[in-house]
Amino acid sequence: GAGVSQSPSNKVTEKGKDVELRCDPISGHTALYWYRQSLGQGLEFLIYFQGNSAPDKSGLPSDRFSAERTGGSVSTLTIQRTQQEDSAVYLCASSLHGTGGNTIYFGEGSWLTVV
Amino acid sequence: AQKVTQAQTEISVVEKEDVTLDCVYETRDTTYYLFWYKQPPSGELVFLIRRNSFDEQNEISGRYSWNFQKSTSSFNFTITASQVVDSAVYFCALIASGGSYIPTFGRGTSLIVHP
Repeated sequence: GAGVSQSPSNKVTEKGKDVELRCDPISGHTALYWYRQSLGQGLEFLIYFQGNSAPDKSGLPSDRFSAERTGGSVSTLTIQRTQQEDSAVYLCASSLHGTGGNTIYFGEGSWLTVV
Repeated sequence: AQKVTQAQTEISVVEKEDVTLDCVYETRDTTYYLFWYKQPPSGELVFLIRRNSFDEQNEISGRYSWNFQKSTSSFNFTITASQVVDSAVYFCALIASGGSYIPTFGRGTSLIVHP
């Protein structure tokens, strides 16, 4: 498709399990962002990839969270040993270039529920 | 440091009323970019508008209009003759080099339009 694609759309997992969330950005977009949105809350920045540069991980809440971006395209956000407070919508976004004011386009999000 | 403030947590109006959503931003950069996004109940953030700091011209798109005033660091959004389909959470965002070009979002304003 032409937009940012995320999978899975919904994920229910047991506390303590690991989860992987996938993001496929818009073709040609070099910048990729992950945000988290808890129920009724705003957007919390997690991590930012720009081309081949080292990612900005300043928003990751703990060392249980990690992300990678392979080949400058698809990104995977991994949460290890999930906790109930990790329950949220994880939003991925991409833009043509990260340096500058390019419009950022969001995917539909991955709804994570930790039980 | 940069910051976006959306002081209105929730606004409730009756259909056909006009409504203005406030956005106040803080940045030390002279070049920056401002955005508005709409998040309907389905969850996906939809891009509405992008404005750079050098263009203070107000913009109108159908029932939507935006008032950018650098003197008051505000970028307000007005919906004229609101409709039920306008019910959503609206986010204002800022991108600037001082924030490493990572978008900073306000906490959002929930707009409820009653029939």
